[in-house]
Amino acid sequence: QSVLTQPPSASGTPGQRVTISCSGGSSNIGSNYVYWYQQLPGTAPKLLIYRSNQRPSGVPDRFSGSKSGTSASLAISGLRSEDEADYYCAAWDDSLSVLFGGGTKLTVL
Amino acid sequence: QLQLQESGPGQVKPSETLSLTCTVSGGSISNSIYYWGWIRQPPGKGLEWLGSIYYTGITYYNPSLQSRLTISVDTSKNQFSLKLSSVAAADTAVYYCARLLEVWGQGTTVTVSS
Repeated sequence: QSVLTQPPSASGTPGQRVTISCSGGSSNIGSNYVYWYQQLPGTAPKLLIYRSNQRPSGVPDRFSGSKSGTSASLAISGLRSEDEADYYCAAWDDSLSVLFGGGTKLTVL
Repeated sequence: QLQLQESGPGQVKPSETLSLTCTVSGGSISNSIYYWGWIRQPPGKGLEWLGSIYYTGITYYNPSLQSRLTISVDTSKNQFSLKLSSVAAADTAVYYCARLLEVWGQGTTVTVSS
């Protein structure tokens, strides 16, 4: 069982805005940065968001991250068919362990 | 550009020890800012953090694996390694090395089977 909680699934239609939540605790999300990854089938996870709301170069600005208290969210605007993938959140814990969410499968209808 | 590459056998027999090495290029593993670590993903499942190491050799392990896991670093070779003992079928997974949490290797598939 993952310590960071994500919904197992999410969906949206092309052009729509969807959000994926990630819930944790005071010792992880509450006091550390959150990271978001996109994983297409058969590939390694790709970093989408680091330090809670920063985008690596090359990641479209359709992807954005936010954090409030012990929860974080990934928002995808202008949804495209190629966004259909698994999405994971992660965070350091104050104990210096690393926690992952269970993953959210995004379906583009 | 920092790159990480996992290497090691693709198949390990039950009860034996799984050994993987991560070679870092394009940057020094001795950079004092970062932790390095291992993450795995069983088939059809999510990501699991295994453990982390600092260039000085300080380690942090997932409590569920601590009794079987050893992570070490060789700064002279710019590499860090994983050893997981007494493996079973449940250890079959894609294993990733990473500069936590921002740069990942492409992953290597390890199957535990006789």
